[in-house]
Amino acid sequence: ETGVTQTPRHLVMGMTNKKSLKCEQHLGHNAMYWYKQSAKKPLELMFVYNFKEQTENNSVPSRFSPECPNSSHLFLHLHTLQPEDSALYLCASSQDGSNTGELFFGEGSRLTVL
Amino acid sequence: EDKVVQSPLSLVVHEGDTVTLNCSYEVTNFRSLLWYKQEKKAPTFLFMLTSSGIEKKSGRLSSILDKKELFSILNITATQTGDSAVYLCAVKNNNDMRFGAGTRLTVKP
Repeated sequence: ETGVTQTPRHLVMGMTNKKSLKCEQHLGHNAMYWYKQSAKKPLELMFVYNFKEQTENNSVPSRFSPECPNSSHLFLHLHTLQPEDSALYLCASSQDGSNTGELFFGEGSRLTVL
Repeated sequence: EDKVVQSPLSLVVHEGDTVTLNCSYEVTNFRSLLWYKQEKKAPTFLFMLTSSGIEKKSGRLSSILDKKELFSILNITATQTGDSAVYLCAVKNNNDMRFGAGTRLTVKP
């Protein structure tokens, strides 16, 4: 079992759908992250949660809504997305949000918006 | 503006070759530089570098940081087909971690 698990692994949705991505970490970490990875572009940080509190929102459109009910779970709620939102969404965790340790990544959720 | 630039963007070699991947950065309040390997989905951690001139080594992979010239290199000796992947460089500062676009390495038999 990997330390960070993401579901679903693949998601196809229409622009009017509402769906959610889920991330769970089994490492006892206190910080969790959402990254977006588009083809031929660097990983883009979307959101950071440290001890369940959102500490960073990198100007992400409101059609992406994160939720962190506890230190082990992180969700990304998706609503009225655009085709350009199609990408690999990676969840990661670290010991805490102080940037002293490495990130552990999940396998990602491949999102296709039609 | 903070940035992390990796070169080359892609590289094709044959098994047994030695490769050097480059990462240069301009980041305020630098804390560390990390290398990740991404084969299919999840990037996996390779090295974290915080001090100049100290080589980190793991098997055929090694990496070093130059904080004066603001770059790092990742060396892979005696490459194998299993080394084929995208290699990501990331730089941490006080606020976040910024990634480069990656170098896609293909090792042919």
